[in-house]
Amino acid sequence: EPEVTQTPSHQVTQMGQEVILRCVPISNHLYFYWYRQILGQKVEFLVSFYNNEISEKSEIFDDQFSVERPDGSNFTLKIRSTKLEDSAMYFCASGGRPIGADTQYFGPGTRLTVL
Amino acid sequence: QKEVEQNSGPLSVPEGAIASLNCTYSDRGSQSFFWYRQYSGKSPELIMFIYSNGDKEDGRFTAQLNKASQYVSLLIRDSQPSDSATYLCAVNPFTGFQKLVFGTGTRLLVSP
Repeated sequence: EPEVTQTPSHQVTQMGQEVILRCVPISNHLYFYWYRQILGQKVEFLVSFYNNEISEKSEIFDDQFSVERPDGSNFTLKIRSTKLEDSAMYFCASGGRPIGADTQYFGPGTRLTVL
Repeated sequence: QKEVEQNSGPLSVPEGAIASLNCTYSDRGSQSFFWYRQYSGKSPELIMFIYSNGDKEDGRFTAQLNKASQYVSLLIRDSQPSDSATYLCAVNPFTGFQKLVFGTGTRLLVSP
């Protein structure tokens, strides 16, 4: 069964450093998403991406964040200058159709620890 | 702020019993509703989705939607210890919005 994959599974970085989280969505999917979950808290939407551009973004997704689909398979989330409060699980998700017609399938996540 | 509310639990049921998980949402325009299961340290795993008022059954799981009451529920029949997890209710706030709004989840404990 196709699945979303994410690398690395765990990333440790120093405050102020740049990190890139990588995702390979399900191959025939067109809609891509990033969510995050701070330990003990709810899953929070960050950004959605379709047709090579951002469809929606949350208030969390400020100028420190960016997304890119550099080739036909990868989808990346970049955090330019990490803060302590960026420590969280970051989940990539993909969907074959818009949410009203389909759902989102989540990858296993990347645990980001900012020291 | 569009909110999705769930009782955090834990909800404890004996093996073989029916577990009933509830969720309310604030945005009356919400169109699609999802239940995910999340084991500790893992990613959300889709269980069911429902778009129309009424019941939708899939194996041991039944989702119930009442848009007038802004209420979604998930019933798990013949609960198993392996069902012990946190169950997340997620709502697409409005058709065309490409995001899910999650509740905090209800922790379910099924005792043998």
